[in-house]
Amino acid sequence: GESVGLHLPTLSVQEGDNSIINCAYSNSASDYFIWYKQESGKGPQFIIDIRSNMDKRQGQRVTVLLNKTVKHLSLQIAATQPGDSAVYFCAENRAGGTSYGKLTFGQGTILTVHP
Amino acid sequence: EPEVTQTPSHQVTQMGQEVILRCVPISNHLYFYWYRQILGQKVEFLVSFYNNEISEKSEIFDDQFSVERPDGSNFTLKIRSTKLEDSAMYFCASKEGTDTQYFGPGTRLTVL
Repeated sequence: GESVGLHLPTLSVQEGDNSIINCAYSNSASDYFIWYKQESGKGPQFIIDIRSNMDKRQGQRVTVLLNKTVKHLSLQIAATQPGDSAVYFCAENRAGGTSYGKLTFGQGTILTVHP
Repeated sequence: EPEVTQTPSHQVTQMGQEVILRCVPISNHLYFYWYRQILGQKVEFLVSFYNNEISEKSEIFDDQFSVERPDGSNFTLKIRSTKLEDSAMYFCASKEGTDTQYFGPGTRLTVL
């Protein structure tokens, strides 16, 4: 049969709530992880990144947590706003060797923030 | 704030025609990339370019695809003979040397 695309996980929250978006990665050799935000019709926009020698990193209203044991990455958005509504992708990179920065993207999560 | 730019924003072409997608990376960046995103799917790596040559390419990037940096500012992706399945958003990205890649707004390619 014909594939019509993936069904993305969705997360709906109320304005002001905290949001947690999760991502599982598969390559245990990956040592750099990034969260991107993609609004409709636009390119991926960098949010925050983290290296594998860290387990937490904070930015403005965002926190990324990395659990290498279970190969899990999460993005926490504090006090979510309607402008945060978008698709959120995690991406991983394996530095060194023959890798010149190729990013492998996850499936994406649709975040909808209700006023 | 410097940003990656891409032209055109939308390209419509007939199957079998050649298309060239254009990108102007951030000026002091050294590494350049093309990715594509089929509607509703995740972003997929196509090719990376460094020091005026391809450094890595995916299996999607077959002989129909080529990249070029014709001058000090432009980075192009050419598809020689487009197929229906080439319809997608094509994103250019660049980075300085650290790991953060910055993406352009994309070109929507529609092959009829």
